[in-house]
Amino acid sequence: AQSVTQLGSHVSVSEGALVLLRCNYSSSVPPYLFWYVQYPNQGLQLLLKYTTGATLVKGINGFEAEFKKSETSFHLTKPSAHMSDAAEYFCAVSEGYGGSQGNLIFGKGTKLSVKP
Amino acid sequence: EADIYQTPRYLVIGTGKKITLECSQTMGHDKMYWYQQDPGMELHLIHYSYGVNSTEKGDLSSESTVSRIRTEHFPLTLESARPSHTSQYLCASSAIPGQGLNNEQFFGPGTRLTVL
Repeated sequence: AQSVTQLGSHVSVSEGALVLLRCNYSSSVPPYLFWYVQYPNQGLQLLLKYTTGATLVKGINGFEAEFKKSETSFHLTKPSAHMSDAAEYFCAVSEGYGGSQGNLIFGKGTKLSVKP
Repeated sequence: EADIYQTPRYLVIGTGKKITLECSQTMGHDKMYWYQQDPGMELHLIHYSYGVNSTEKGDLSSESTVSRIRTEHFPLTLESARPSHTSQYLCASSAIPGQGLNNEQFFGPGTRLTVL
């Protein structure tokens, strides 16, 4: 069965500092991996995704993530945090094929705070 | 504009009432999903549908039911609401995976349900 582990339920950084949100996954098949962001009282917005091909994936708002198969990781980074990045971030894994193809398994989320 | 809509955004209701949460999308997507999200917790898939007259149960058991009579509409119903149903409910849609299209899920803004 697939699963996602996000290390750290709450991460706090200073404005301008590096953002690193950790995600490890478990999957018996080649995974599709996603990062979503959720602002208060809103739905989820896709930041970036990895399906196949290049392992370094660039997304919106300056975020990027690198798929490392050997480490079963898909960590999210941003070189310089902005106040507007404060939100909840969810990592998700999807089955690439099969009966539940496309269904997402989410991690518990990491709340990012940005200090001025 | 292509989008996914949920109504109501907030609902406070008494125990025993029947409620229907509405979800509509103009994305042209065949697959739709319902997730339940408790505060500060991950999303759990409770229902999904591949298209008209298709409904499947998700990973989390739910007393709610869904229907899919029209492609763009995927309502969720609770016949008799209870305090344990208090949660946020998120609707999402995607293209059918494997059809060579971008299959990321697009989310609505959510309905926050409180049952007294």
